[in-house]
Amino acid sequence: AQRVTQPEKLLSVFKGAPVELKCNYSYSGSPELFWYVQYSRQRLQLLLRHISRESIKGFTADLNKGETSFHLKKPFAQEEDSAMYYCALCDTGGFKTIFGAGTRLFVKA
Amino acid sequence: DTEVTQTPKHLVMGMTNKKSLKCEQHMGHRAMYWYKQKAKKPPELMFVYSYEKLSINESVPSRFSPECPNSSLLNLHLHALQPEDSALYLCASSQHTAGMGGTDTQYFGPGTRLTVL
Repeated sequence: AQRVTQPEKLLSVFKGAPVELKCNYSYSGSPELFWYVQYSRQRLQLLLRHISRESIKGFTADLNKGETSFHLKKPFAQEEDSAMYYCALCDTGGFKTIFGAGTRLFVKA
Repeated sequence: DTEVTQTPKHLVMGMTNKKSLKCEQHMGHRAMYWYKQKAKKPPELMFVYSYEKLSINESVPSRFSPECPNSSLLNLHLHALQPEDSALYLCASSQHTAGMGGTDTQYFGPGTRLTVL
């Protein structure tokens, strides 16, 4: 079955500390993996996708097919990173996107 | 225009009412989506339109009726809803590289918060 698992509902870190938001997936085909972010009172928006291999706002994510993981990392968290983060999976060449339950990141001053 | 817009922002309706949600984009995207998001839950896909044709219906009850009158507009017609249908309804669009081997980044609207009394 297709599934995206984000084990942490809430993650709280201090400003300047490293942060890692975990994402594991279960999919039999060839998925594409995304991280979407929703800041307070803003719409859901793409943060990054594995195929582009970009670093956005200091965040990176590496697709590990062996461990079926796509963890989101940032070496030094900032207060403005506080938001809801969703890991998502889409079938390559398809439309159907499955979202994980989300992790709320809270960066404390 | 690089945004997806949705109207209304809020909607309160009774179980016997008929109402419609509207979504619009002018980015030339040819795939459009409806999602339902309950409080503290992730978005759940309801429908996908590809080139104005219904491509995916995730077994959504018939009291939700989507419509794509042209490439820029997507409507969701609501009739005889139940209180458990109260949620944030999100519209999204994407370029439609799917089908050509690509996978689309979706651009989301701000949502319509629906309350069914």
